[in-house]
Amino acid sequence: EIVLTQSPGTLSLSPGETATLSCRASQSISSGYLAWYQQKPGQAPRLLIYGASSRATGIPDRFTGSGSGTDFTLTISRLEPADFAVFYCQQYGDSTWTFGQGTKVEIQ
Amino acid sequence: QVQLVQSGSEVKKPGASVKVSCKTSGYAFTSYFMHWVRQAPGQGPEWMGILDPSGGSTDYAQKFLGRVTMTRDTSTSTVYMELSSLRSEDTAVYYCARGGQFRKRPFDDWGQGTLVTVSS
Repeated sequence: EIVLTQSPGTLSLSPGETATLSCRASQSISSGYLAWYQQKPGQAPRLLIYGASSRATGIPDRFTGSGSGTDFTLTISRLEPADFAVFYCQQYGDSTWTFGQGTKVEIQ
Repeated sequence: QVQLVQSGSEVKKPGASVKVSCKTSGYAFTSYFMHWVRQAPGQGPEWMGILDPSGGSTDYAQKFLGRVTMTRDTSTSTVYMELSSLRSEDTAVYYCARGGQFRKRPFDDWGQGTLVTVSS
């Protein structure tokens, strides 16, 4: 099973700043089968990025996914108040689907 | 639009079973894989298994083998997840999540979640 490790655990930023979130896999993820989700309190996760760098429907271009192999990054530019939440990476390249433990982006 | 509507909260005693439903609409039910994911308080999501609604085949995460059963009713476009031998560690919000038409896809749509509390 592929284990995903996200860092940092918490990111304290102000609106307008840029958030850089990391997701490292215990082994290479084939074909970039890596997704990112945003979750707000009391809500289900929402798909942001799939295939490491493709934005899901309706996701603004302030959200950018990059990376390959074992190292992936989610960059959120010009943070808006609605962006503050917990973000999870997920791999779907092997026969299971696993999530990272999450990075919380909070208002400084 | 795609909708996944789950059944309501449950409180169960240790050793009991729980069955959660997820009624779907807005898309071709048999054309998209369906997953179940749970999330314990303060934890990240945990994948439990996948169901192919067209034929009913399933694959379960190793952790839940022998305790989880996923089924579907094509006449009502509803999927079900039953978890048996409940223990306190199974207290979590359980989600159904729609995958893609191909197996290796992330989860585009999610149900609203069902809180299952296991307590004596």
